[in-house]
Amino acid sequence: QVTLRESGPALVKPTQTLTLTCTFSGFSLSTSGMCVSWIRQPPGKALEWLALIDWDDDKYYSTSLKTRLTISKDTSKNQVVLTMTNMDPVDTATYYCARIRYYGSGSYLPFDYWGQGTLVTVSS
Amino acid sequence: EIVMTQSPATLSVSPGERATLSCRASQSVSSNLAWYQQKPGQAPRLLIYGASTRATGIPARFSGSGSGTEFTLTISSLQSEDFAVYYCQQYNNWPPKFTFGPGTKVDIK
Repeated sequence: QVTLRESGPALVKPTQTLTLTCTFSGFSLSTSGMCVSWIRQPPGKALEWLALIDWDDDKYYSTSLKTRLTISKDTSKNQVVLTMTNMDPVDTATYYCARIRYYGSGSYLPFDYWGQGTLVTVSS
Repeated sequence: EIVMTQSPATLSVSPGERATLSCRASQSVSSNLAWYQQKPGQAPRLLIYGASTRATGIPARFSGSGSGTEFTLTISSLQSEDFAVYYCQQYNNWPPKFTFGPGTKVDIK
């Protein structure tokens, strides 16, 4: 079965760089059409899509956060890593990774499997 | 960016009653619209994709409709486990710039 799990620091200081790892099983990011995304959710607020990486190592980012985000993958380890620079208290949120599939002609299916999320607090 | 709005923000419903949730996109997303259910402390769960197709294992009391800019999620007879927050999400862009609505909280009347 498909599972995803996020890991990373629970607390970061303002201006620091956050590095989160998504470790998954039940699918391979070397399989055509497979993708992994990061999504975050501030406490009590809505979901916000951050980034996507696909089987072909193409990367896509939220327009508003593009300059601060980097997504990468290690196919052999079944891991996707997200880095976010210059962290601020407004970045306090639960960060999720989720699987998404591409089926051609610019079309995706939605996020069908999610990790349980990891809460990151930004505070000095 | 495609902006998603949802109404109402909160919906108070008695168990066994019907719930109707609305989602609107700022421009057409065709049928590339999904609904998720989120309970406190849990990750979102995919309910509906393609505006009207139930995801695997989702009960038939959940149904979705609409296309273009106007969408509806209907829960035909609310069960106790259905009280949660529901989000709509569009996945129509290329390159991908997915966006979520602000959510509708369904609580017990």
